[in-house]
Amino acid sequence: NAGVTQTPKFQVLKTGQSMTLQCAQDMNHEYMSWYRQDPGMGLRLIHYSVGAGITDQGEVPNGYNVSRSTTEDFPLRLLSAAPSQTSVYFCASRRVAGQETQYFGPGTRLLVL
Amino acid sequence: GENVEQHPSTLSVQEGDSAVIKCTYSDSASNYFPWYKQELGKRPQLIIDIRSNVGEKKDQRIAVTLNKTAKHFSLHITETQPEDSAVYFCAASISGTASKLTFGTGTRLQVTL
Repeated sequence: NAGVTQTPKFQVLKTGQSMTLQCAQDMNHEYMSWYRQDPGMGLRLIHYSVGAGITDQGEVPNGYNVSRSTTEDFPLRLLSAAPSQTSVYFCASRRVAGQETQYFGPGTRLLVL
Repeated sequence: GENVEQHPSTLSVQEGDSAVIKCTYSDSASNYFPWYKQELGKRPQLIIDIRSNVGEKKDQRIAVTLNKTAKHFSLHITETQPEDSAVYFCAASISGTASKLTFGTGTRLQVTL
């Protein structure tokens, strides 16, 4: 199993540009989520999904959109990038029932100029 | 919502000494408390977790204790080694389908020779 994968690894955007961060998992996990990590602030939840067709907001959802059309994929969209969105983004997944171990992807480093 | 505070933000210990990291949480309904280790440039990885029905859990050199009454939990690393150097995050959540992990702000542990 590849686990949780993310693309791209690194991206530079200009203010106002849009892009999609890709996340995929091959563990048949129902629950997927996106976090951003900023220095001194830990990991903050952006959006999450408990299954295909179901998404909800986390702690810091503004400026981000998500959709979940399949169990495997959970893309994160930035519609109009802002410098405040410069961060490292982690996707994670876990099973809904039983063991709650959350597995993280390798991360995407985003720089918005 | 849940709020998790973590201390200290940095910790330096000599190889072979013990390290203790402490976290407090605000929501008395929280019942799942994982600890993640993040090496530089890597993804967070689960190292140990504890549920509210137990007070302590050990895994080789790592242990976690939980005081539900005081709403705090701690990570203990004994006989520290240079490879223990990393950032450690505590987190808390209420178990369930849509449970959301709330993370502390992290502790940078440096193990010196």
